[in-house]
Amino acid sequence: GAGVSQSPSNKVTEKGKDVELRCDPISGHTALYWYRQSLGQGLEFLIYFQGNSAPDKSGLPSDRFSAERTGGSVSTLTIQRTQQEDSAVYLCASSLGGQGVPDTQYFGPGTRLTVL
Amino acid sequence: AQSVAQPEDQVNVAEGNPLTVKCTYSVSGNPYLFWYVQYPNRGLQFLLKYITGDNLVKGSYGFEAEFNKSQTSFHLKKPSALVSDSALYFCAVRDYTNAGKSTFGDGTTLTVKP
Repeated sequence: GAGVSQSPSNKVTEKGKDVELRCDPISGHTALYWYRQSLGQGLEFLIYFQGNSAPDKSGLPSDRFSAERTGGSVSTLTIQRTQQEDSAVYLCASSLGGQGVPDTQYFGPGTRLTVL
Repeated sequence: AQSVAQPEDQVNVAEGNPLTVKCTYSVSGNPYLFWYVQYPNRGLQFLLKYITGDNLVKGSYGFEAEFNKSQTSFHLKKPSALVSDSALYFCAVRDYTNAGKSTFGDGTTLTVKP
């Protein structure tokens, strides 16, 4: 079946511009996660959505970052007034979800963001 | 707070030899531990997980990992390495109180030479 998809696969933008990154989770998955992977670094947690619950935004690095999930499916990560340090690969993952369930996350291929 | 350490940035082994990629963790409650592999320009792929039960967990592509509570470790192992196993490996931990938020290690690059 279809996995997690992300678009665009690559995004080059100028410093100060806003960008939107999209994630389509696996159908039926109620949990959705965003991570950031900088060059040579591990994954940095950004935000977690579980069903209709309030998202866990504790990993967002600044108020320039925001995310929403419409209809419990597609999610958009928005970065306003991009800075060069925002350059990274942004990974989305989804899982079946459920409170307190440590289930397997399935990752998309990522969006490589380059801020010039 | 939860944390994961992968003490080796790089592991090199010869094809056919056993391999070990190390991972240690710290959580306040019961740990849920995961290994993922990332091939170049690809997303992460799930290898295996420990939730409860047997300390030796078997996963995809012949990999296994041993949970050691006293040493707070979850090392990834394979009896006989293949060149195609060369990739970046990540260990991750979650605890029950924060099931949505995974903490990942910085990754270990495995290189298997023919």
